[in-house]
Amino acid sequence: GDSVTQMEGPVTLSEEAFLTINCTYTATGYPSLFWYVQYPGEGLQLLLKATKADDKGSNKGFEATYRKETTSFHLEKGSVQVSDSAVYFCALSDPAQGAQKLVFGQGTRLTINP
Amino acid sequence: EAEVAQSPRYKITEKSQAVAFWCDPISGHATLYWYRQILGQGPELLVQFQDESVVDDSQLPKDRFSAERLKGVDSTLKIQPAELGDSAMYLCASTRGRGWETQYFGPGTRLLVL
Repeated sequence: GDSVTQMEGPVTLSEEAFLTINCTYTATGYPSLFWYVQYPGEGLQLLLKATKADDKGSNKGFEATYRKETTSFHLEKGSVQVSDSAVYFCALSDPAQGAQKLVFGQGTRLTINP
Repeated sequence: EAEVAQSPRYKITEKSQAVAFWCDPISGHATLYWYRQILGQGPELLVQFQDESVVDDSQLPKDRFSAERLKGVDSTLKIQPAELGDSAMYLCASTRGRGWETQYFGPGTRLLVL
């Protein structure tokens, strides 16, 4: 079945550092790809998404590009802030599976130190 | 901005007891999802409703879990009897229609079974 693999955490960076969180996927069909963020004690919030190859999703300084050839959707940010500390989830939804469920990676915990 | 509402936010129960969680999706959203998120993992779909009908409950442990959405609006997820392994965050999400759309998540109910 479909699956998502994220780089293992936790990831700890200093403020203003460059961030990359790797995400790769396997899917039967042609999925849409998502990054969700979960702040402590809260539910998931959509950070960005991409629905077709070479699309770039972006929001709040974060970016990710849908790479079909490498089945990847890596999350990047040029200069992180303390407020970016959270758990980040890569996810896909695959029309070939016949339902709209999201399949999530295991999450990557990010901590930004001042 | 409209949000998905969930209650209670926290629930502590003893094993073998019954528990119930409630979700009210964003007004007008036809599709509702219940996910379970075990600590340190990504969410996994338990059940998906389209209006009042179940679309996917293949991962719902039906011997102890039940879910309903009688009028196609709010929904209840029940566990009876609760087991220690049910300790997790239970997340509700909704989308407007039947298309491949962004899922909006509620804050979740954190369940602890003692």
